[in-house]
Amino acid sequence: DAGVTQSPTHLIKTRGQQVTLRCSPISGHKSVSWYQQVLGQGPQFIFQYYEKEERGRGNFPDRFSARQFPNYSSELNVNALLLGDSALYLCASSLGPTRQNTGELFFGEGSRLTVL
Amino acid sequence: AQSVTQLDSQVPVFEEAPVELRCNYSSSVSVYLFWYVQYPNQGLQLLLKYLSGSTLVKGINGFEAEFNKSQTSFHLRKPSVHISDTAEYFCAVSARSYGQNFVFGPGTRLSVLP
Repeated sequence: DAGVTQSPTHLIKTRGQQVTLRCSPISGHKSVSWYQQVLGQGPQFIFQYYEKEERGRGNFPDRFSARQFPNYSSELNVNALLLGDSALYLCASSLGPTRQNTGELFFGEGSRLTVL
Repeated sequence: AQSVTQLDSQVPVFEEAPVELRCNYSSSVSVYLFWYVQYPNQGLQLLLKYLSGSTLVKGINGFEAEFNKSQTSFHLRKPSVHISDTAEYFCAVSARSYGQNFVFGPGTRLSVLP
C-alpha cells in the first residue's frame, strides 16, 4: 500500500509569492495534519483536518490556510511568503476518531520550501 | 497544553555501545507518548508508542522505551547501536482526547561512531 505522498518534494520561491503544497493520505485514512519543521527543530503543528473540516489549528498567521477534499487529500497554502517560512512541510495522516485508531500519525517525506 | 523536553541535543556513541535518549513531558491531561526517527532528507518514522498498559514498550530496530508517570519521562534505549542508527530522534505527546495535535520535542541527534 502507498504511504503518505506529498508534492512537490522541493521548491524555491521568492519573498511575497504564494505556494501550494499537496498531500495524499494513506488509503482509508480520513484525517490529515500539517506540520512545519524548521531546520534543527522539531515539527510544529499547523492544521488538522478530518472529514473535510478543520479540527485544529496551531499558532500560525492567517497567511497559512488549508483545505481537505472529498477524497481526503489536502492542500496547504501559504501567502506572502517570508524568509522565515523556509522549512520542511510535513503532512501526516491517520484514521481519525475511530476505535481502530491507535493514535499514531503516519508522515510523508515532506516538501522542502526555500524562500529567497 | 503539553510540552516536551529532550535534554540532549546531540549524543555521540560508539558502535555496539548502549544508548539512552531522554525525554520529559508536561501535560495537564493524560497523553499518548511516541518516539519518531528522522533520517536525513526523509520524513518521520514511528519507532514506538505508549498508549496504555505495560510501561515498557518495545519498538522497531531493537529500540525500547519506558514510561514513568511519576517522573513524566519516556526515555528511549537501545542496548547496542549500529552505524545505521545515526539519525534525529523526536519524542512527541498527544492528548488522549481526540485531536492528535502532536507536540514534538526539539530532537536529539544520535551519531554512532565506528
